[in-house]
Amino acid sequence: DAKTTQPPSMDCAEGRAANLPCNHSTISGNEYVYWYRQIHSQGPQYIIHGLKNNETNEMASLIITEDRKSSTLILPHATLRDTAVYYCIVRDSNRDDKIIFGKGTRLHILP
Amino acid sequence: EPEVTQTPSHQVTQMGQEVILRCVPISNHLYFYWYRQILGQKVEFLVSFYNNEISEKSEIFDDQFSVERPDGSNFTLKIRSTKLEDSAMYFCASSVDGVSYEQYFGPGTRLTVT
Repeated sequence: DAKTTQPPSMDCAEGRAANLPCNHSTISGNEYVYWYRQIHSQGPQYIIHGLKNNETNEMASLIITEDRKSSTLILPHATLRDTAVYYCIVRDSNRDDKIIFGKGTRLHILP
Repeated sequence: EPEVTQTPSHQVTQMGQEVILRCVPISNHLYFYWYRQILGQKVEFLVSFYNNEISEKSEIFDDQFSVERPDGSNFTLKIRSTKLEDSAMYFCASSVDGVSYEQYFGPGTRLTVT
């Protein structure tokens, strides 16, 4: 089962920052936090991942709390194309090959 | 940008028939995966494949399922005798490395068993 807890849905106004929270209170030292998203009827898409430092790429920023028990994915300027289900996933870098998807957060970007 | 491709995009078959779903992973990737998603449900792991053998499989991946990399480019999922409950989207994925790198997913094949 997924080791993360996410709100089932969120709304965000177009052009604003979308902040998607994730709780992973049982995360262990070898486990990374990954984020994927799934736009309707498409395959999941990798967004970003991190271990303990904050990370940023062209798609998003990932903020991980100091105790690593929670994280936030930030889409800085959300567009309508960012409407999707966002999955927060914990993976052990030494062991886990497969991805275990939870239910994710359904993000609606409102025009 | 390189991408994972899958064919066909939609396959309709009758119960009891064999189907083969095809995937072309990204060319320098070494790890390959199949996942499925029944309509309205979570994406579920089926099988991972490395060095021409299965490295892990889920409970879903029973004797009716098999995978193969027949020619060094294609990666196939075969369902020998399809059941109604096999109707789902099937996603292929690949990654450079098995554990520490992101997986890239294909667009999926929608399998409908009638």
